[in-house]
Amino acid sequence: GQNIDQPTEMTATEGAIVQINCTYQTSGFNGLFWYQQHAGEAPTFLSYNVLDGLEEKGRFSSFLSRSKGYSYLLLKELQMKDSASYLCAVRAVADYKLSFGAGTTVTVRA
Amino acid sequence: DAGITQSPRHKVTETGTPVTLRCHQTENHRYMYWYRQDPGHGLRLIHYSYGVKDTDKGEVSDGYSVSRSKTEDFLLTLESATSSQTSVYFCAITSERGGRVNEQFFGPGTRLTVL
Repeated sequence: GQNIDQPTEMTATEGAIVQINCTYQTSGFNGLFWYQQHAGEAPTFLSYNVLDGLEEKGRFSSFLSRSKGYSYLLLKELQMKDSASYLCAVRAVADYKLSFGAGTTVTVRA
Repeated sequence: DAGITQSPRHKVTETGTPVTLRCHQTENHRYMYWYRQDPGHGLRLIHYSYGVKDTDKGEVSDGYSVSRSKTEDFLLTLESATSSQTSVYFCAITSERGGRVNEQFFGPGTRLTVL
C-alpha cells in the first residue's frame, strides 16, 4: 500500500514563508506532485518532482529527496489568496495513478 | 481545465436508490479517474479507466461500478446509495502530452448527499 503523510494545518502571516512537508512510503516511485485546492473548488496542479533537488516556479518551490521519501512545498511572499489546501501525491508506477495525502490547510493571516 | 465537465454538480438522494454521475471530456484523453474526497481522508481513488471498456478498481471501489463505452464519457454508478457515500466526487484525466510530467487535471466536482 501507499502511505503519505503531511501536516493537517498550518498558519502563517501575509508576506512570510511557509514550508509544507510530505513524507511517503510507496511501492515504487514515478514522481511526486503538489496540488492546490481552494475551498469548494477542484485541485489544480502546482508542481512535479521526479529527480532529487529543488524545482522553482515563481513564489512556489518544491523539493524532493527520494532516498528519504521526503518532499516539501515552499510558499514565499505569502498572499491572502494562498489560503487553501495543499495536496501531496505520489505516482508509484507508470500507469499514472496517484495516491494522495490528506492535505494541509494553510491559512494566511493579515 | 482540460475540457472536463461533471453532471450533476449537486445531488441529494435517498438511501437505497441508484445514482449515476457523469464525467465528460472533450480532448480524447485515454486515462480517466473517479475519486471521492472526504474530510481527513484527502482524495481516494474509486475506479479508473485506461480506454474504452478498460476499467479497474481503485482503493475504495466497494459499492461503486463504472462504465466507459465512449472515450469522452466515464460514468460512476452507486448501485444502492448509502449515507457513507455522501461525499464530493471528482473526475480526473491524465494529460499525456509527450513529456514526463503527465499531470492529472480535475473536473469541477459533484457534491452528493445521501439521506
